[in-house]
Amino acid sequence: GQSLEQPSEVTAVEGAIVQINCTYQTSGFYGLSWYQQHDGGAPTFLSYNALDGLEETGRFSSFLSRSDSYGYLLLQELQMKDSASYFCAVWNRDDKIIFGKGTRLHILP
Amino acid sequence: EAQVTQNPRYLITVTGKKLTVTCSQNMNHEYMSWYRQDPGLGLRQIYYSMNVEVTDKGDVPEGYKVSRKEKRNFPLILESPSPNQTSLYFCASAGTGTPYGYTFGSGTRLTVV
Repeated sequence: GQSLEQPSEVTAVEGAIVQINCTYQTSGFYGLSWYQQHDGGAPTFLSYNALDGLEETGRFSSFLSRSDSYGYLLLQELQMKDSASYFCAVWNRDDKIIFGKGTRLHILP
Repeated sequence: EAQVTQNPRYLITVTGKKLTVTCSQNMNHEYMSWYRQDPGLGLRQIYYSMNVEVTDKGDVPEGYKVSRKEKRNFPLILESPSPNQTSLYFCASAGTGTPYGYTFGSGTRLTVV
């Protein structure tokens, strides 16, 4: 079967660094994406990893290890506006894009 | 402005009354998809389309139909809605070379009573 596992909730302090992990099981893996969703809004695309390693986009970075079927999203210099839900998603060989259940990030002042 | 437009934003209907949720994108994207979002279950793919006249089932296709007669439009049809289809629905599109980078519509909150 296909599945993605990510923590349901994570709490961090403003200005700190937080890592949201995602492990996946899928047939024919192409890549791992990350999306952000604020309450009442639509998901927005953050990053994509097809190859092993770290991709950096401003305060956000995403990492992938294909051999471990594992990835993470790293958020640095946390701001209150980063309070949101974060979803990992895999693109598989059937051209399906499967989402995890999401991680709600709480940021404390 | 590049966008995916869904209508309506909110809809309350009765069991068994056929309805259509429209989705249109202006980015010339080949890949379009419908998802439903329920608390604790994340986003689950209903149907997707790689291009005109090409559609495939996602993980939860039962009770839904789609069509892709034009590249820009991808309507979601509920022939006989039931209360378990009460949900938040999102349409999304992406270029074929980059189906990992979706642009989502604003969502449709459907309530079936």
